[in-house]
Amino acid sequence: DAKTTQPPSMDCAEGRAANLPCNHSTISGNEYVYWYRQIHSQGPQYIIHGLKNNETNEMASLIITEDRKSSTLILPHATLRDTAVYYCIVRVGSLLVGGGADGLTFGKGTHLIIQP
Amino acid sequence: DSGVTQTPKHLITATGQRVTLRCSPRSGDLSVYWYQQSLDQGLQFLIQYYNGEERAKGNILERFSAQQFPDLHSELNLSSLELGDSALYFCASSVAAGRGELFFGEGSRLTVL
Repeated sequence: DAKTTQPPSMDCAEGRAANLPCNHSTISGNEYVYWYRQIHSQGPQYIIHGLKNNETNEMASLIITEDRKSSTLILPHATLRDTAVYYCIVRVGSLLVGGGADGLTFGKGTHLIIQP
Repeated sequence: DSGVTQTPKHLITATGQRVTLRCSPRSGDLSVYWYQQSLDQGLQFLIQYYNGEERAKGNILERFSAQQFPDLHSELNLSSLELGDSALYFCASSVAAGRGELFFGEGSRLTVL
């Protein structure tokens, strides 16, 4: 799986949009970008994933550049509860039941701190 | 609530002992993953099972073993425990083996004294 690079920490004011960058310059054509977050000592939480199109769900938006070498996770209206470590992970995806294997590789992520 | 249930939530034991951690995946999920998170190592993938069979191995020690049962619940067995095994152990599940959307439980905190 391709390696990702994220800033170790970021601050954002409550109520503002939090934009978390991720570089994945060696991404392959069949690799997806996944985002997870982990609030202190809780289990990691899946946020969103995408291949090449921008994606949005109830939690966040994912913007992937046209060359797919970087992406940005956007939390549109950050709250104090969004303070967490955010992980950007690139891996081969498979939609086939029974297809593919391996666990996700978590790096160090970005510690996002939402300031009141 | 992710739908993944892990027991026990906390466990304190002594060096040399053996413990079993249990995980019930989300309803309908066939794949189970185990992760270890210690302060200095971050989240480390240990092992994956899919529909009862081992699918992938990560950094799992020989003293550790796991299995997935016909009802799809999974157990992680840790033996000859050492101080360094103190960590949070997370179980995750997904609907298929290759899917990247994993749903994690709240973890089992193991303390080895």
